Amino acid sequence: GAGVSQSPSNKVTEKGKDVELRCDPISGHTALYWYRQSLGQGLEFLIYFQGNSAPDKSGLPSDRFSAERTGGSVSTLTIQRTQQEDSAVYLCASSLQSDPKTSFDGYTFGSGTRLTVV
Amino acid sequence: GENVEQHPSTLSVQEGDSAVIKCTYSDSASNYFPWYKQELGKGPQLIIDIRSNVGEKKDQRIAVTLNKTAKHFSLHITETQPEDSAVYFCAPSPRILTGGGNKLTFGTGTQLKVEL
Repeated sequence: GAGVSQSPSNKVTEKGKDVELRCDPISGHTALYWYRQSLGQGLEFLIYFQGNSAPDKSGLPSDRFSAERTGGSVSTLTIQRTQQEDSAVYLCASSLQSDPKTSFDGYTFGSGTRLTVV
Repeated sequence: GENVEQHPSTLSVQEGDSAVIKCTYSDSASNYFPWYKQELGKGPQLIIDIRSNVGEKKDQRIAVTLNKTAKHFSLHITETQPEDSAVYFCAPSPRILTGGGNKLTFGTGTQLKVEL
């Protein structure tokens, strides 16, 4: 597609339920990132995928959070047993990693999924 | 890890004035310095970036200047317009030379308001 697509755009869920957030990156982008943005705050790194390499999960806040990327394209972020502190905007970004020694074209972000846990 | 600070956290200017936002970082290995603009309800958008072999870069009304010795870089917006109102984030990063992938650490953001 023309940009990074995230769905749903808004999600309200009850505390304790599981949720899945989807990200469809720009076609051909090899790197995919998930960030979380709490109200009025900066962006908190969660996880990133680069090609066939093992994902960098160092930012996941707890074992309730997991993500996968199937076929090197679409990614799903899953939050199990949601808590109120999980309420935030979840942003996905992708980037084209050509030669990392000479170029990096920056991230292209989606519009995010606003998650509200009630 | 990278410790990133932005100043000011909020900035109000009159239309037509200039705006400057400063980003300080801690990791001396950082060599990629982007600025992102986030409008309400949207994801951040890359507006300008600079690499460490360059001290300044301009693109129309926006510019970025880098002081590697002092570990800070700044975003300059001239002739500000109402559509410049947004939150701006810096995201200094060390280049990862093997395996690709650039995990960016974002600053806390600066809310810029351009008043008529």
